[in-house]
Parts: sequence; structure tokens; C-alpha cells
Amino acid sequence: EAQVTQNPRYLITVTGKKLTVTCSQNMNHEYMSWYRQDPGLGLRQIYYSMNVEVTDKGDVPEGYKVSRKEKRNFPLILESPSPNQTSLYFCASSLWAEGSLGGYTFGSGTRLTVV
Amino acid sequence: AQTVTQSQPEMSVQEAETVTLSCTYDTSESDYYLFWYKQPPSRQMILVIRQEAYKQQNATENRFSVNFQKAAKSFSLKISDSQLGDAAMYFCAYRSDRTGTASKLTFGTGTRLQVTL
Repeated sequence: EAQVTQNPRYLITVTGKKLTVTCSQNMNHEYMSWYRQDPGLGLRQIYYSMNVEVTDKGDVPEGYKVSRKEKRNFPLILESPSPNQTSLYFCASSLWAEGSLGGYTFGSGTRLTVV
Repeated sequence: AQTVTQSQPEMSVQEAETVTLSCTYDTSESDYYLFWYKQPPSRQMILVIRQEAYKQQNATENRFSVNFQKAAKSFSLKISDSQLGDAAMYFCAYRSDRTGTASKLTFGTGTRLQVTL
């Protein structure tokens, strides 16, 4: 089954304790991206990657890191989480080619709470 | 930079009735894609319908259709014969067709749709 797998689905952590949210896709997509969803703000892009070893900042990158060592994986790293990073996080991937119609496939989301 | 505006934070519709969710966007580009995503309580993001800007014909998917007005930069979603399972948050989204910026989906703030008996 074609999918984007995100783990964990729920995470409660303390301020300053490094964490990683994993994301993996099995569709051979070039594009991968991380979004955070907050009430009243919709989804905002954190980082994106156009291919292996190619990453760039989105609209809200402060406090986050990413890596793209393999095409299928795109982990999100919070080196020193703070309470303002409490949010719902989504990983998404996309094939960008003629006829692909440009849609994203989303993971199931990670609810992160930083106390 | 592109922006997407959903001016209706909440909408309500009776079962079997029709409802229209509004979306406007701002862009200087001529080639792009527009999407409506549904987010039920399970929080999964589900693609409802998509529209290519170069197509004049409005997209339809079963009970879901759009009214795409390119000159007015408007992209509304019409849900016909509403069902209880349509209750969800709906997001309008924009994606450029240009390589480089093409990876970014810009979302509106969402409209929460309630379906009543």
C-alpha cells in the first residue's frame, strides 16, 4: 500500500530534551515536506526536500532540523524543544512529474506536547 | 508570496442539503494547482478534489465540485447531498507549478463543517 508513515503518533516530552519524529514513504517520491498545524493558522511548512541531500527552509523553520540521506526517509529533529513547538505535525510527500497532478500524500500526523 | 484565505471559520449544513465553502487566493503566477483537503476527527489529511489552473472546466468528484474563477482568484467547494461523514475541517490549498517552489503547499486556515440531522 502506498503510504507515508510517521512515528510516533503521540509524544509528550519535556523542554530541552532532543527528539526525532520519523517519516518514511514507499512511493519513490522526490519531494518531502514537514508541516505543523495550529488552531486558526492552518498548516505551515517547516522544511522541505526536493531530493536526497537537498533540503530547504519553509515558513517556520526556527527550532527544527531535517535530513534527507535516503530518498524514502525525512526525519524531523527538535534539538531543544520548547512549549511553543507543541503542535500537530504532518509529513507529506509528492511525485512531481508531468501528469502527477501535484497532490501530496500525508502521513497520519504526530501530536507533540512539550511541557 | 502566495496567500490563501478561507473567511468562514465554521459552517453548518443539514443532512442531504448543499453547502458551499469559500476560498480565495492571491498569486502573480499563471500556472498552479488548487486543492481541497478534508481533515476528519481522525486528523488524516484526505485529498477531496484538485483543479489545474490552466483548465477552464471545473473539477468534480462525485458529490464534490468546485467553482474556479481564475480572474477573481476564487476557488469554492460545493458539497451536494451532505452526509454525516462529511463533517470535518476543510482546507483550501495552493501549489505553484514552478520547479523549485513547487514543493510548497500553501494552506488556508480551514473551515469546520458541521452536518446536522
